[in-house]
Amino acid sequence: DIQMTQSPSSLSASVGDRVTITCRASQSISNYLNWYQQKLGKAPKLLIYTASSLQSGVPSRFSGSGSGTDFTLTISSLQPEDFATYYCQQSYSTPPITFGQGTRLEIK
Amino acid sequence: EVQLVESGGGLVQPGGSLRLSCAASGFTFSSYEMNWVRQAPGKGLEWVSYISSSGSTIYNADSVKGRFTISRDNAKNSLYLQMNSLRGEDTAVYYCARVYGYSSSRGYYYYMDVWGRGTTVTVSS
Repeated sequence: DIQMTQSPSSLSASVGDRVTITCRASQSISNYLNWYQQKLGKAPKLLIYTASSLQSGVPSRFSGSGSGTDFTLTISSLQPEDFATYYCQQSYSTPPITFGQGTRLEIK
Repeated sequence: EVQLVESGGGLVQPGGSLRLSCAASGFTFSSYEMNWVRQAPGKGLEWVSYISSSGSTIYNADSVKGRFTISRDNAKNSLYLQMNSLRGEDTAVYYCARVYGYSSSRGYYYYMDVWGRGTTVTVSS
């Protein structure tokens, strides 16, 4: 099974900050990497697919990059509504579908 | 409006059974693969089960193999998860999620683009 590891596990930042979250796969997954945002008590929401493609309706301050084993999710200028938990998910070798453990983004 | 609505969660004793349902609307349900994903209290997301659009291909996580069965009724636009021999570690919010997949020159890509709000399963005596 492919293991996905996110860093950091939690992060404190201020409105307007630029934030980067990292996801590392245990083996190469090309660009088969998706990112989701989950707010407290809500369902996950797709942000980025195939590592760098922005899902329709998602603000352009969100971007993704990477290939192989290392990936990043960047928020260029944090907005109050961006404080949430973020998950990466690989779709290269399934089953099983595997997620990272999540990165909790908190207000500083 | 594209929508998934889960139901059927509740409190059940260890060893008991429960059947979850997911009602789809606003899209051609029979054209999409589907997943069940769960989230234990305070924990991350865990994939549970997958079913192809026709229902002919099914995959399950090792943690639920032999206990959970995914199925679908395309005529009723519904997805199901039959859960037997429930354990405390099955306590979670269960989400159904639509799979959007497409083929490209580089391979078959997919992601979960529509999620339900979830239904809560609590396994406790």
